[in-house]
Amino acid sequence: EAGVTQFPSHSVIEKGQTVTLRCDPISGHDNLYWYRRVMGKEIKFLLHFVKESKQDESGMPNNRFLAERTGGTYSTLKVQPAELEDSGVYFCASSLGGTDTQYFGPGTRLTVL
Amino acid sequence: DQQVKQNSPSLSVQEGRISILNCDYTNSMFDYFLWYKKYPAEGPTFLISISSIKDKNEDGRFTVFLNKSAKHLSLHIVPSQPGDSAVYFCAATETDSWGKLQFGAGTQVVVTP
Repeated sequence: EAGVTQFPSHSVIEKGQTVTLRCDPISGHDNLYWYRRVMGKEIKFLLHFVKESKQDESGMPNNRFLAERTGGTYSTLKVQPAELEDSGVYFCASSLGGTDTQYFGPGTRLTVL
Repeated sequence: DQQVKQNSPSLSVQEGRISILNCDYTNSMFDYFLWYKKYPAEGPTFLISISSIKDKNEDGRFTVFLNKSAKHLSLHIVPSQPGDSAVYFCAATETDSWGKLQFGAGTQVVVTP
């Protein structure tokens, strides 16, 4: 069974540009999460989808970040416009139920220059 | 504010010896704790967990201890093996916001021959 996949694996953009990250969860997993790790620090929660609905978006840093999960399958995270401090590794995770183990993707490394 | 702290950024241990990783938390509402392991260029992988109603959970070479009064947990790996070399993240969550994992900054473990 395929795990959580993320695309792209790396992205380098200029400050002010737009970037869209994609996450494909494990098939059948209703719960999808986005996290971010900045500069070797802690992994920070961004938001949690249950199917297509945002269950918890308390970790979203500001309105430059927009997450969607249309149809309740894959999810996208758009950063517009990107700032230098947005650089980091963005992880997506999925779980079958809300209390089940979260399986993480390999992450997308975003560098904003 | 960071509610889960791993104060040791790195740990070096000889193969065959015990590795002890420590984690402290500040939020008394946390009632479920997890350890994740991460290899370079991969996402975190679930290792072991413990509920706040227990003080110990064991799975093969891995044991997690929880001291609620001290708001402290530890992960013991015995015996340590070269394949255990990785970054270990402590995480916590609470019933009211289940799924929102709060992570520490990680401890890099290096197992030497």
